[in-house]
Amino acid sequence: GEDVEQSLFLSVREGDSSVINCTYTDSSSTYLYWYKQEPGAGLQLLTYIFSNMDMKQDQRLTVLLNKKDKHLSLRIADTQTGDSAIYFCAERGGDTGRRALTFGSGTRLQVQP
Amino acid sequence: DVKVTQSSRYLVKRTGEKVFLECVQDMDHENMFWYRQDPGLGLRLIYFSYDVKMKEKGDIPEGYSVSREKKERFSLILESASTNQTSMYLCASSWGQGKSEQYFGPGTRLTVT
Repeated sequence: GEDVEQSLFLSVREGDSSVINCTYTDSSSTYLYWYKQEPGAGLQLLTYIFSNMDMKQDQRLTVLLNKKDKHLSLRIADTQTGDSAIYFCAERGGDTGRRALTFGSGTRLQVQP
Repeated sequence: DVKVTQSSRYLVKRTGEKVFLECVQDMDHENMFWYRQDPGLGLRLIYFSYDVKMKEKGDIPEGYSVSREKKERFSLILESASTNQTSMYLCASSWGQGKSEQYFGPGTRLTVT
């Protein structure tokens, strides 16, 4: 079945850029998503990218998609302590009968002051 | 704003009890999902529903059942709770078409003793 992988932990200093990486196996993925989960809360959609794009920018967030390598990244510029959270990568397959997303295991971002 | 609510934030049950987790969404979404979240494993899909009275098994349906009698409400049932069902349970909903991003509730942390 489809698989999505992420590293488990990333630590950065406040003001630096953070880059969270994700790889996926489903070559027919249509949409790819980044979600953020703060402690004790549900998941909040941060941004998404359609598979025919290779980059999307939204304020401090930049998403890069390398479809050939099935690699997705999320860059957070000027990282703040409020960005400390778990970040999940997710993909939606091209099979129109499949309505669920496949999630990675999440990357815990720790921002040091 | 899309709102997905879950009936309880924290729940403690005894082994063998029948447990109901309720989820309600207010955006007329066709799709609703139940996930469980465990450290290092990310989100795993238990069941989803794409219409009233319709349901499909996800990746880990064993020990669970679901009910969707009304479009806005999706219930997860643990027929006989066991300690290995101690987890965070997340409900989500989405439209049927397009980018289909999922909106999440705040989660229910279930402890089975």
